Amino acid sequence: EAQVTQNPRYLITVTGKKLTVTCSQNMNHEYMSWYRQDPGLGLRQIYYSMNVEVTDKGDVPEGYKVSRKEKRNFPLILESPSPNQTSLYFCASSLSQGPREQYFGPGTRLTVT
Amino acid sequence: EDQVTQSPEALRLQEGESSSLNCSYTVSGLRGLFWYRQDPGKGPEFLFTLYSAGEEKEKERLKATLTKKESFLHITAPKPEDSATYLCAVQAGSWGKFQFGAGTQVVVTP
Repeated sequence: EAQVTQNPRYLITVTGKKLTVTCSQNMNHEYMSWYRQDPGLGLRQIYYSMNVEVTDKGDVPEGYKVSRKEKRNFPLILESPSPNQTSLYFCASSLSQGPREQYFGPGTRLTVT
Repeated sequence: EDQVTQSPEALRLQEGESSSLNCSYTVSGLRGLFWYRQDPGKGPEFLFTLYSAGEEKEKERLKATLTKKESFLHITAPKPEDSATYLCAVQAGSWGKFQFGAGTQVVVTP
């Protein structure tokens, strides 16, 4: 089944404790992206990757890191999480960086205390 | 600054009562406008892509249209299963960057 998977689905952590949220797609997509979703603000793009080893900042990259060493994986790293990073995170992938539809993962709900 | 605004924020409809959702945008160099549906606790699910003014796309009870400044998602004779949050997104300027609106939450009652 073609899908985007994220792990973990739920995470409660403390301020400053490094964490990684994994994202994997099995559709051989070139493009991958991370978003956070907050009430009233909609989805905001954090980082995106147009291919292996090619990443770029979205609208809200502060406090996040990403890497794209393999085509299928695009992990999101929070080196020192803070409470304002409490949010619902979605990973998405698309066949290419052009105006193509994105396929979204199921989401990761992160709480930072 | 690029902006995407959706209205209304919420919409409550009776089954069969048609209505329209609005997505207005101020961007430079629109490459594509997208509509997604999001159910509670799930990731957004793709509905339509529109590329240029005048374009229309249809799927079951949904029809999306695009002008130079806005897009409409028309819901004809909605059913309770059409209840969801509908998201609009644009890709403009830089390849790879997307901007989403805050969404319209639609509730259809029997």
